[in-house]
Amino acid sequence: ETGVTQSPTHLIKTRGQQVTLRCSSQSGHNTVSWYQQALGQGPQFIFQYYREEENGRGNFPPRFSGLQFPNYSSELNVNALELDDSALYLCASSGTGTTYGYTFGSGTRLTVV
Amino acid sequence: GIQVEQSPPDLILQEGANSTLRCNFSDSVNNLQWFHQNPWGQLINLFYIPSGTKQNGRLSATTVATERYSLLYISSSQTTDSGVYFCAVNSNSGYALNFGKGTSLLVTP
Repeated sequence: ETGVTQSPTHLIKTRGQQVTLRCSSQSGHNTVSWYQQALGQGPQFIFQYYREEENGRGNFPPRFSGLQFPNYSSELNVNALELDDSALYLCASSGTGTTYGYTFGSGTRLTVV
Repeated sequence: GIQVEQSPPDLILQEGANSTLRCNFSDSVNNLQWFHQNPWGQLINLFYIPSGTKQNGRLSATTVATERYSLLYISSSQTTDSGVYFCAVNSNSGYALNFGKGTSLLVTP
């Protein structure tokens, strides 16, 4: 059984550019959510996908968007990057009826310069 | 939204000591997890414990849902226990995992 995998692990982008981060959910998990963690802070919820539909969103602007694919993998897209978007982006997956909650990937560390 | 408060914010222990980390939350929850964030950033799931008590080796956790708090016990601490410990909850009406600000633990030899 594979865990949650994210790619890339590190990324440097220039302000104004666009970025796509990828996540493969744990086998058997149909729900994927994304979190942003700034340095020294706890993770903040961006949004969640279930069966390819966004079913929950945190306090993030529309330039943060996502997709979930039929195999339950997911992408996070951020347009018009700002310096404050520099953070660790974490993907988590969970399954219906699980008794162990969410499993997190290792994250993508994004630096915007 | 639901508020999650963790204490203490920082903790320094000598190897072999025991510690208790606390998590208070402001509303009913259907999920509570304790995580350890390693130096590389990965959140390692320690316990899924919306209620009751669980033990895993030197770690144990207790959640008293009716009083809206959870405790994480670390016994005989080791240097590898160092890192940040997060408590995170789902409210009964929400999708998001709401995280506390974490407890930063340093275990010295």
